[in-house]
Amino acid sequence: GQQLNQSPQSMFIQEGEDVSMNCTSSSIFNTWLWYKQEPGEGPVLLIALYKAGELTSNGRLTAQFGITRKDSFLNISASIPSDVGIYFCAGQPKTSYDKVIFGPGTSLSVIP
Amino acid sequence: DGGITQSPKYLFRKEGQNVTLSCEQNLNHDAMYWYRQDPGQGLRLIYYSQIVNDFQKGDIAEGYSVSREKKESFPLTVTSAQKNPTAFYLCASSILDGETQYFGPGTRLLVL
Repeated sequence: GQQLNQSPQSMFIQEGEDVSMNCTSSSIFNTWLWYKQEPGEGPVLLIALYKAGELTSNGRLTAQFGITRKDSFLNISASIPSDVGIYFCAGQPKTSYDKVIFGPGTSLSVIP
Repeated sequence: DGGITQSPKYLFRKEGQNVTLSCEQNLNHDAMYWYRQDPGQGLRLIYYSQIVNDFQKGDIAEGYSVSREKKESFPLTVTSAQKNPTAFYLCASSILDGETQYFGPGTRLLVL
């Protein structure tokens, strides 16, 4: 079945550093979503991307919908301790008959 | 305030016991979903419902059951047939199946 790969699997960075992570697939998706999950909580939607090539920002977060429609990238600038969590990507396939696919997540730790 | 609520936050199950996890949404969403999350893992789909009085099995439905008698409610029962129920359970909803999903805060189920 369809799968999403996220890299890196985990990251340890110093406060103030920029962060980059990506999500790739062998399948084409219509929509890419990025969620953040803090420990013991449900995932919260950060950014939704609807068009190939689209670049969208939400504060210090910027995400891009890859031109091939098979990948997406999330960047966090000037990281702060509250950025800690697991970042999931999700892809919505071309038809509503296919289920949304979630990636395995990238775990981010920020060292003050 | 619109949103998704899950209760309880923590639930303990004895061997051989069925337990039911609650999920309620007041977003007027048609579709609802249940996911299981194990430590360090991504989300696995248990059951989903596209509309009231209808639901479909996800990837790991064995040992679980659901009902969808009301649009706003989608309870999940973890039956005694589920031999490894300890996990974090997440409920989500979307306007329609295939659209962006919004998550509840989760229920952590522990076996005594």
